[in-house]
Amino acid sequence: AQTVTQSQPEMSVQEAETVTLSCTYDTSESNYYLFWYKQPPSRQMILVIRQEAYKQQNATENRFSVNFQKAAKSFSLKISDSQLGDTAMYFCAFWGYNTDKLIFGTGTRLQVFP
Amino acid sequence: DSGVTQTPKHLITATGQRVTLRCSPRSGDLSVYWYQQSLDQGLQFLIQYYNGEERAKGNILERFSAQQFPDLHSELNLSSLELGDSALYFCASSPDSTGYTDTQYFGPGTRLTVL
Repeated sequence: AQTVTQSQPEMSVQEAETVTLSCTYDTSESNYYLFWYKQPPSRQMILVIRQEAYKQQNATENRFSVNFQKAAKSFSLKISDSQLGDTAMYFCAFWGYNTDKLIFGTGTRLQVFP
Repeated sequence: DSGVTQTPKHLITATGQRVTLRCSPRSGDLSVYWYQQSLDQGLQFLIQYYNGEERAKGNILERFSAQQFPDLHSELNLSSLELGDSALYFCASSPDSTGYTDTQYFGPGTRLTVL
C-alpha cells in the first residue's frame, strides 16, 4: 500500500527566509503524481505545486519549488522569500496509476514570523 | 477561488440526525470527490463519482451515502450522526475519471458539528 510521510509536524521561519518541508512516500508504482497542498487558517485546500514522476525536472511555481528524488522517494517543498501569508498547514499527497484515491500525509504546520 | 462550491459552510446538528452536504464542481469537471478531515484521522478519502456513476470508494461509513446528479453537482448524505462525525467535509473536482493525471481542486469545505 502506498504511504506518504511528513516527519515534521511543525516548522517556523522568519519572513524573507527560505524553508524546506520534507515528504517521503512509499510505492511500487512507476507512474504517479505528487502534490503539495496548502491549508491556511481559512481551511481552504489550495494546490501549491505538482510533479509528474516521469519528469526529471523539478517543478517550480514562483517562490515554490520541489526537490524530487525518485530513487529516494523523496519530494520536498522549498519556499523561498517566505511571506506571512505562507503561514498554513502543508500537505504532501500522492496519486498513482493504480491508486484510486489521493493519499495525503499528516501535514506540516508552517509558521512564518515577521 | 478554485471554482468548486460547497454549501452550507457550517452545519450544527444533534446526534441521530441526518444532513445533506452539497457540492458543485468546477465548470467542465466530471469527477467529484468527497473527503473528511478530522483532528484524529487527518484527510480521508470517502468516495468519488464520475459523470453520475460511483467510481471509487474509500473509508466511507455505511451511514454515509453520496450521489452525483445529471447537472454534475453532488450531495453527501450523512445519517444517524454521531459525535465522531464532527469534521470538515471537502468536495474536490477534476476533469476526468482517470485520476492520477488530473489535479483535484478543492472547495471551501463544510464544517459539521454534531452536538
